[in-house]
Amino acid sequence: AQSVAQPEDQVNVAEGNPLTVKCTYSVSGNPYLFWYVQYPNRGLQFLLKYITGDNLVKGSYGFEAEFNKSQTSFHLKKPSALVSDSALYFCAVRDTGGFKTIFGAGTRLFVKA
Amino acid sequence: SAVISQKPSRDICQRGTSLTIQCQVDSQVTMMFWYRQQPGQSLTLIATANQGSEATYESGFVIDKFPISRPNLTFSTLTVSNMSPEDSSIYLCSVEPGAGGETQYFGPGTRLLVL
Repeated sequence: AQSVAQPEDQVNVAEGNPLTVKCTYSVSGNPYLFWYVQYPNRGLQFLLKYITGDNLVKGSYGFEAEFNKSQTSFHLKKPSALVSDSALYFCAVRDTGGFKTIFGAGTRLFVKA
Repeated sequence: SAVISQKPSRDICQRGTSLTIQCQVDSQVTMMFWYRQQPGQSLTLIATANQGSEATYESGFVIDKFPISRPNLTFSTLTVSNMSPEDSSIYLCSVEPGAGGETQYFGPGTRLLVL
């Protein structure tokens, strides 16, 4: 069975500082990994995904994520946080060949000016 | 990508009544999904709705309570039947437009409050 864990309910960071939002996963085969963001009172938006290839994936709004197979992790990162990055972030995983995406519990990011 | 609209955006309903939520996509897609989300919490998949076949429901969700229609490749409806306050939630429609892309696109959601 596939699962995904976001160990932090909330991450606080000062504007201009780097940010990391953590995600670990478990799948029986090779994973498809995703990050989505939800701004207040809005639907989810796709940020980036890892399917295959380079372990470092770049996405929207300056975000990137690093796939680490040995640690089964897919942490979301950004070199310099903006106040506008404050939102709810979801990591998601799908087993290769599967049809269902499993979403993590979400991590709320607060960026303070 | 895909642009998705949902109607209504929000509603307040009385217990025992039913509400039908519409989901319209700007392009033809095979796979559509309906999720439920408590504010600030994770998504729970209700069912997968593929055109031309019966919807596939996840554990804990049944067709009598959440009937789904998928008449064509751009439209779907989810009905929340015989509502109770426990059905108060945000209902999200999602599509997966790309062949092998696996990326999902979400509608803005329908915020439902049952009194």
